[in-house]
Amino acid sequence: AQSVTQLGSHVSVSEGALVLLRCNYSSSVPPYLFWYVQYPNQGLQLLLKYTSAATLVKGINGFEAEFKKSETSFHLTKPSAHMSDAAEYFCAVTSPGGKLIFGQGTELSVKP
Amino acid sequence: SQTIHQWPATLVQPVGSPLSLECTVEGTSNPNLYWYRQAAGRGLQLLFYSVGIGQISSEVPQNLSASRPQDRQFILSSKKLLLSDSGFYLCAWTSDLWSSYNEQFFGPGTRLTVL
Repeated sequence: AQSVTQLGSHVSVSEGALVLLRCNYSSSVPPYLFWYVQYPNQGLQLLLKYTSAATLVKGINGFEAEFKKSETSFHLTKPSAHMSDAAEYFCAVTSPGGKLIFGQGTELSVKP
Repeated sequence: SQTIHQWPATLVQPVGSPLSLECTVEGTSNPNLYWYRQAAGRGLQLLFYSVGIGQISSEVPQNLSASRPQDRQFILSSKKLLLSDSGFYLCAWTSDLWSSYNEQFFGPGTRLTVL
């Protein structure tokens, strides 16, 4: 069965610092992986997705994620945090039938 | 381009009252539709999904139900709300259920508070 674990329900960084949000997955088949961002009281917006074409995936707003099969990880990074990056971030993996299995989410705070 | 709408945006209902939340998609045909619930401080829980008119699959047994009366309309209902039904309800669509690399697109959500 597919599952996703996001390490750290809350991450706080200073503006300009590196952002690292961790995601580990479990999948019985080659996974397709996604990162979504949710701003307060809004729906989810896709940041990036991994579909086996390339292990390093670049997304919107300067984010990228690297698929590491040996570590079953798909961590999200951004070299320099902006105040506007403060939001909740969800990692997800597809399960058979196209459904998405979401992690519990990581709330990112950015300090000035 | 495709857009997804949800209404109402916010709703405050007493315990025991009925519920009807609506989701519509524009700009696509035969979408696969999903209802999620996001409780405070928790992740997203898939409630229902639909691959076509009248076809509903339930993921979690509860006092909620879903219907799809038209191709691009998805409705979430309850006959009697519970306090535990409070949360943020999200509707989503994708173009092809069997293409696992297709992302889901989310609506703006409905904030439901049951008092």
